[in-house]
Amino acid sequence: DIQMTQSPSTLSASVGDRVTITCRASQSISRWLAWYQQKPGKAPKLLIYKASSLESGVPSRFSGSGSGTEFTLTISSLQPDDFATYYCQQYNSYGLTFGGGTKVEIK
Amino acid sequence: EVQLVQTGGGLIQPGGSLRLSCAASEFTVSNNYMSWVRQAPGKGLEWVSIIYSAGSTYYADSVKGRFTISRDNSNNTLYLQMNSLRAEDTAVYYCARTPSGSYGLTFDQWGQGTLVTVSS
Repeated sequence: DIQMTQSPSTLSASVGDRVTITCRASQSISRWLAWYQQKPGKAPKLLIYKASSLESGVPSRFSGSGSGTEFTLTISSLQPDDFATYYCQQYNSYGLTFGGGTKVEIK
Repeated sequence: EVQLVQTGGGLIQPGGSLRLSCAASEFTVSNNYMSWVRQAPGKGLEWVSIIYSAGSTYYADSVKGRFTISRDNSNNTLYLQMNSLRAEDTAVYYCARTPSGSYGLTFDQWGQGTLVTVSS
């Protein structure tokens, strides 16, 4: 299986900050990468697919980039509702795999 | 409103069996790829299994031979039959829909999750 490694595992930031999360794949996955947001006790929410396509209804402050083995999720100006855990997911091949998560905390 | 409502789950002894259900509203399960994804307490997400609209199924190595994904078209419901359960299967289990179009194998609609605890 392809391994997905996220960094950092925890990130402390303030409202208004620009935040970047990195996801690295153990082999090339082209652009077959998605990002999800999960809040405690809730199901994940799809934010980005195909590395940079914004899911309908997701605020434009979220953006994704990358291809091959290195990807980033950027929040341009962190809002109170954005404090959550973020996961990347590769869907280049089975088994589908997720990164370990990045928890965005209030500084 | 598109919705996935899960039932099943609970406490089960090691070696036991359990079936999870996921009833869909406002879309047809058999017309979509549907998956199960789990999350152990305090841990990350782990994909478990998928069933294609055509009926093909795939499993994570960790559950292959023990879990079976299926659907009931008449009830518009997805199932996960879990046999030979182990302590490491303890997790919140989510059903999830793969959207049609250019999304690939991503998940745009999720059930509310159901906790399975494997313990003696």
